[in-house]
Amino acid sequence: KNQVEQSPQSLIILEGKNCTLQCNYTVSPFSNLRWYKQDTGRGPVSLTIMTFSENTKSNGRYTATLDADTKQSSLHITASQLSDSASYICVVDNGNNRLAFGKGNQVVVIP
Amino acid sequence: NAGVTQTPKFRVLKTGQSMTLLCAQDMNHEYMYWYRQDPGMGLRLIHYSVGEGTTAKGEVPDGYNVSRLKKQNFLLGLESAAPSQTSVYFCASSYWDASSGNTIYFGEGSWLTVV
Repeated sequence: KNQVEQSPQSLIILEGKNCTLQCNYTVSPFSNLRWYKQDTGRGPVSLTIMTFSENTKSNGRYTATLDADTKQSSLHITASQLSDSASYICVVDNGNNRLAFGKGNQVVVIP
Repeated sequence: NAGVTQTPKFRVLKTGQSMTLLCAQDMNHEYMYWYRQDPGMGLRLIHYSVGEGTTAKGEVPDGYNVSRLKKQNFLLGLESAAPSQTSVYFCASSYWDASSGNTIYFGEGSWLTVV
């Protein structure tokens, strides 16, 4: 069973609209959680990182939240742009140099 | 500062052929990794290295070998390629600090097709 589950698998949104991506994990112990953006044909690029004590972290129009008690995280994209079309990957670090990757949320922004 | 560089970017192999993927990083990172990414699946760790001269198996190591002779380079070898090894391969390197743990930087990927 995958230790990191992301939903929805894919979504289409209109340019300018907001959207929220979900990540649920069962990884234990927990060190930190990262969201990566992966453009088609490119490598993943880090957007945010949150440790156990952090509830929210922003990077421009991207805002990530973390609830370590329920083991849930979300990534909110505000005022989406065409360049936001990508796969967003949730990655959980157990602190022992082992990362658990979600399968990604595929986002398509249309004009 | 080029970050993590992978070569080649594209390659087509015949079943049974061998090849080596080269990864180079110029950030002086101790940790390096090789992942594969397949449709509908998350990134899966093949092998990793925690320092020059060391290697360790990841989640899906069968059919692959690696070497870390120099700190900046991490080579992934396929001794006898199989169609199941058709995939996109990502190299990564990372550094660790107390506040954020491991911060990982990925290369741009190498597309390998085995026919």
